[in-house]
Amino acid sequence: AQSVTQPDIHITVSEGASLELRCNYSYGATPYLFWYVQSPGQGLQLLLKYFSGDTLVQGIKGFEAEFKRSQSSFNLRKPSVHWSDAAEYFCAVGANNAGNMLTFGGGTRLMVKP
Amino acid sequence: DAGVIQSPRHEVTEMGQEVTLRCKPISGHNSLFWYRQTMMRGLELLIYFNNNVPIDDSGMPEDRFSAKMPNASFSTLKIQPSEPRDSAVYFCASSPQSGPAYEQYFGPGTRLTVT
Repeated sequence: AQSVTQPDIHITVSEGASLELRCNYSYGATPYLFWYVQSPGQGLQLLLKYFSGDTLVQGIKGFEAEFKRSQSSFNLRKPSVHWSDAAEYFCAVGANNAGNMLTFGGGTRLMVKP
Repeated sequence: DAGVIQSPRHEVTEMGQEVTLRCKPISGHNSLFWYRQTMMRGLELLIYFNNNVPIDDSGMPEDRFSAKMPNASFSTLKIQPSEPRDSAVYFCASSPQSGPAYEQYFGPGTRLTVT
């Protein structure tokens, strides 16, 4: 079975600083990888996804993520954080043998200092 | 498109009462998911349906929980009897097709408080 680990529960960055959120997965084959964002009181919204091809994927709101098979990682990055990026971020993995099911990480709560 | 619609948005009930949460998926979507989110356990998949058929309900915590999808545009999650430990935010999500490549679209959630 697949699993996802987000090592950082909380991260605080200054507005304008760069951001990297870590995600490590466990799965025997090529996974389907997702990053979702959850603003307070809202449901989850897809930021980006990776299935195959170019290992650097671009998403909405200026986010990108890089798939590194050798490290089993799919870290999320943004070059310059805005105050509106404060939210909780979830990494998720899907698999061919799991139907539609996604396995979510525990989430990373991002706080942005002015 | 209106997105995934959930009702009610907030529900406060007393222990022992029956609670019914409702979800309307995005029109044309074939898969529907129910999740529960708590501080302690994070985001948990309770059950999911493909073409109105329950596929995996291994995440349903116990017999007090039941879910139905009588047609493609409506699903319910029922808790009977409710307990304080059921307090959580319950999300419904839908997906256009079956398969891991398809994005799940989440509703705004129902915040349930059982006193």
